[in-house]
Amino acid sequence: DIVMTQSPDSLAVSLGERATFNCKSSQNILYSSNNKNYLAWYQQKPGQPPKLLIYWASTRESGVPDRFSGSGSGTDFTLTISSVQAEDVAVYLCQQYYGSPTFGPGTRVDIK
Amino acid sequence: EVQLVESGGGLVQPWGSLRLSCAVSGFTLSDYSVNWVRQSPGKGLEWISYISASGTIIYYADSVKGRFTISKDDAKNSVYLQMNSLRDDDTAVYYCARDGSTTSSFYYTHWGQGTLVTVSS
Repeated sequence: DIVMTQSPDSLAVSLGERATFNCKSSQNILYSSNNKNYLAWYQQKPGQPPKLLIYWASTRESGVPDRFSGSGSGTDFTLTISSVQAEDVAVYLCQQYYGSPTFGPGTRVDIK
Repeated sequence: EVQLVESGGGLVQPWGSLRLSCAVSGFTLSDYSVNWVRQSPGKGLEWISYISASGTIIYYADSVKGRFTISKDDAKNSVYLQMNSLRDDDTAVYYCARDGSTTSSFYYTHWGQGTLVTVSS
């Protein structure tokens, strides 16, 4: 199975600041035939299911605020929140779907 | 509005069985694949099973292969997960989740609220 790792484990940011989280896959998840990275990002708040934010590494899901953006390719990926809001307090998880789907352990975001 | 609602969770003894249901609305089961994903404090999120829109393609994670069976009934708008030979490490919240596109994307745009399965004597 492809192993997903995330860093940092947790992050405290001030309101309005930029937050950046990283996700790394144990093998390449860029499919050369369609040039797509099989990587999704989710936001999960306590007691709720995950909510899809980003798929194909950089495509924002409908209704997701444009302060969320995804980047990266191959094995290294980044989720950025350009200006953190109070409602962004959550755990952010990455998932690869190149092989049998696997998820990272998550990065917890709190307000400083 | 797309909705998925899980039911059937509860407390079960080791080696016992449980059948989870996922009732869907707002979309046609014959158009989208559905997955079961579980979450436990120790293992985080773990994909465990997939059934294609046609119902003809089924996948399982190695951790549940041979013990769990996924099925669906399009007429009843429901997907099921039959869980046998349950073990302590099957304790988790079980979610059903719909694929993001009609061409089996394996990223999940819609999730149920989850049902808790506790395996304990």
